[in-house]
Amino acid sequence: AQSVTQLDSQVPVFEEAPVELRCNYSSSVSVYLFWYVQYPNQGLQLLLKYLSGSTLVKGINGFEAEFNKSQTSFHLRKPSVHISDTAEYFCAVTRSGSARQLTFGSGTQLTVLP
Amino acid sequence: DAGVIQSPRHEVTEMGQEVTLRCKPISGHNSLFWYRQTMMRGLELLIYFNNNVPIDDSGMPEDRFSAKMPNASFSTLKIQPSEPRDSAVYFCASSLGGSRGAEAFFGQGTRLTVV
Repeated sequence: AQSVTQLDSQVPVFEEAPVELRCNYSSSVSVYLFWYVQYPNQGLQLLLKYLSGSTLVKGINGFEAEFNKSQTSFHLRKPSVHISDTAEYFCAVTRSGSARQLTFGSGTQLTVLP
Repeated sequence: DAGVIQSPRHEVTEMGQEVTLRCKPISGHNSLFWYRQTMMRGLELLIYFNNNVPIDDSGMPEDRFSAKMPNASFSTLKIQPSEPRDSAVYFCASSLGGSRGAEAFFGQGTRLTVV
């Protein structure tokens, strides 16, 4: 089975500052990794995914994440945040290969302050 | 494509009543998932279908919960009888499957309140 730990439940940051949201996973098999964003009263939207290949993955809205197999991490970064990035962010993992259910972390609430 | 469509968006019901949540996955997707989101427990997988067949229902809380997928374009999640502790947001998601379609696409959710 896989598991995900999001180390920070809340991250406040000022507008135009950089941000990193941390995610660590645990698995005995190879995995696919994802970051989703959830705005208030909405469903989850995919930000980016790592399936294979380059360990630096670029997603929508200027976000990127780096897969580090040795540290079992998949941290999300953005060099300059906007007020509109305020949302909850979820890291998720699934076993690679055929489709299986995603296991989600507990989420990180990113609040961008003016 | 309109994405994953869930109905209703909001449901308020009295304890003991039957509740049915509905989901239409994205056309062509062969995997469907029901998740529940609460403040206390976060996002929990309830059940997962592949090609309309339930694969893993270990997350279904108890016998009061049941899910069906009679065809590739429709699924239901039923709670009978409902209890206040079932209050949550229920999400349906679908995916293509395999390495090409590993990501899940989520609906807008159904916010269920049991009073």
